Amino acid sequence: DVKVTQSSRYLVKRTGEKVFLECVQDMDHENMFWYRQDPGLGLRLIYFSYDVKMKEKGDIPEGYSVSREKKERFSLILESASTNQTSMYLCASSLRRLFINEQFFGPGTRLTVL
Amino acid sequence: AQTVTQSQPEMSVQEAETVTLSCTYDTSESDYYLFWYKQPPSRQMILVIRQEAYKQQNATENRFSVNFQKAAKSFSLKISDSQLGDAAMYFCASQPQGGSEKLVFGKGTKLTVNP
Repeated sequence: DVKVTQSSRYLVKRTGEKVFLECVQDMDHENMFWYRQDPGLGLRLIYFSYDVKMKEKGDIPEGYSVSREKKERFSLILESASTNQTSMYLCASSLRRLFINEQFFGPGTRLTVL
Repeated sequence: AQTVTQSQPEMSVQEAETVTLSCTYDTSESDYYLFWYKQPPSRQMILVIRQEAYKQQNATENRFSVNFQKAAKSFSLKISDSQLGDAAMYFCASQPQGGSEKLVFGKGTKLTVNP
């Protein structure tokens, strides 16, 4: 089974702090994604990466950056955390295929910014 | 841009009964893929069922089945013999075209199962 893990289930940070959220997958997937999940808004894509050192902006990249130095690891960085970044963050991965691309999700990190 | 709409923010069903969750989507593609994901409370999101748009036959996975109406751009999920463990957020998603890495998600439907 594909396993996607995230470094923390719960995280509390202060406004202005630099925050790192890490995601690791163990199935050699090329694609990795970071989503933000808010009630009533569903999942919104922040960034995704289709290869090491490659990244592409999603729908809501403002205030975030990402890093992918190794194939199995994809980090989301909040350069200066703000209260409106309090949310659930989900990481996902998928194979890069010509056709159907099912995504596999991690357990999520619930981030609170005070 | 492709959109996915789930018009029911919340639904409830009695244990052992059947419930249908609605999803509509908008795409100009002729070939695409559709998914239903389940997110139980405080647990990981998992794939429930998927449908290839070129297939006319509706997908089924045990108690879960879909009603795929391509012309109407509708993709509803039917859960038969509902169980307490079916309580979760359900998200409908589309992959706009073959080879596209990204999925487009609906806003979700919260399903409550009453004993």
